[in-house]
Amino acid sequence: DAGITQSPRHKVTETGTPVTLRCHQTENHRYMYWYRQDPGHGLRLIHYSYGVKDTDKGEVSDGYSVSRSKTEDFLLTLESATSSQTSVYFCAISESSGEGPYEQYFGPGTRLTVT
Amino acid sequence: AQSVSQHNHHVILSEAASLELGCNYSYGGTVNLFWYVQYPGQHLQLLLKYFSGDPLVKGIKGFEAEFIKSKFSFNLRKPSVQWSDTAEYFCAIRRTGKLIFGQGTTLQVKP
Repeated sequence: DAGITQSPRHKVTETGTPVTLRCHQTENHRYMYWYRQDPGHGLRLIHYSYGVKDTDKGEVSDGYSVSRSKTEDFLLTLESATSSQTSVYFCAISESSGEGPYEQYFGPGTRLTVT
Repeated sequence: AQSVSQHNHHVILSEAASLELGCNYSYGGTVNLFWYVQYPGQHLQLLLKYFSGDPLVKGIKGFEAEFIKSKFSFNLRKPSVQWSDTAEYFCAIRRTGKLIFGQGTTLQVKP
């Protein structure tokens, strides 16, 4: 398994509170991604990073921000959590984003419940 | 918009039955195609991938998929499923460096 850890693994928080999820990798891969998984929607890209301090929005970025100050860490922040952000969040890493035999490796996920 | 469609949302099979899960995508250019599996309570793992060459791709655990360009399809197959194949299966395409996932298919294999 690729060296990806996510913390926390489970979190329950109240509406309106800020939440930060952490993804840590030991593979030195350049690309990192945050997805959310919801029934009937598969996985949807929230934000991704193509290098330290280089990030961009994905399909469902509203209400989320990210930061990457080191190659190994990619943080996802919910500035003011809402019940619609209750989901399972997966981090992924990739050596390259180019067209070629590069795959994304996924972390174990964080289950977030917003009450 | 580019999309990936998995037609079967929930499939129930008995052990030893054959499996085929459908996946269609809407993009007409060059695509990289993937099938991922998620066992209960676990993270996504890559089953197989297609980039170029032979359109019949073999993956782990006896799975294979066939890329049919004219049909924009990348269906997953396994000749004989086992109870341990119970999982959720996701098809994905990669365009401009990003993965676009289908909705997923839940496979339940009865012993």
